[in-house]
Amino acid sequence: DAGVIQSPRHEVTEMGQEVTLRCKPISGHNSLFWYRQTMMRGLELLIYFNNNVPIDDSGMPEDRFSAKMPNASFSTLKIQPSEPRDSAVYFCASTKGQGTEAFFGQGTRLTVV
Amino acid sequence: KNEVEQSPQNLTAQEGEFITINCSYSVGISALHWLQQHPGGGIVSLFMLSSGKKKHGRLIATINIQEKHSSLHITASHPRDSAVYICAVSNYNTDKLIFGTGTRLQVFP
Repeated sequence: DAGVIQSPRHEVTEMGQEVTLRCKPISGHNSLFWYRQTMMRGLELLIYFNNNVPIDDSGMPEDRFSAKMPNASFSTLKIQPSEPRDSAVYFCASTKGQGTEAFFGQGTRLTVV
Repeated sequence: KNEVEQSPQNLTAQEGEFITINCSYSVGISALHWLQQHPGGGIVSLFMLSSGKKKHGRLIATINIQEKHSSLHITASHPRDSAVYICAVSNYNTDKLIFGTGTRLQVFP
């Protein structure tokens, strides 16, 4: 398996634009997580899905953020409209389930100017 | 107080030295994870453990459930070990991770 695949690797966008980040989890994994990493706050959970259903979205900063998982092999994280403070590295991770090892994608480095 | 605390925050070592990074947590966990992140790089899982000790090459991870403490040891450190090492715990009821703030390790030749 190629591991967790995220795209794009880098994204630079202007404030106010819509940004969509994509993630393909490892086949057979039934939990998918979106994390955000910043210098100030470190790694934070944004949202996670189990069997394609959002379980905990308490980490989603505000209504500008939304995430979907239409099927077991694909998830998106959308920011609309984007703001400079959204600049961070966004990681997607997947697991086989509770108490199992987490596998991370390479991350998407987002810069909003 | 953070639920997962790591020490030290920064660590420098000479090649060949034995290194220890510590992690303490205050919540009930199903497992503890040690992760590695190279500068500008992705995050790699090194260990996941819920009891005892695990070894992989020059890396050893231990956990004491009663004391809510884990250590990551690197024997015969090498400059390629330079990275940020992150401790994270899985919650009992979910498998989302709660992260420590990381330990930045630099190993000089």
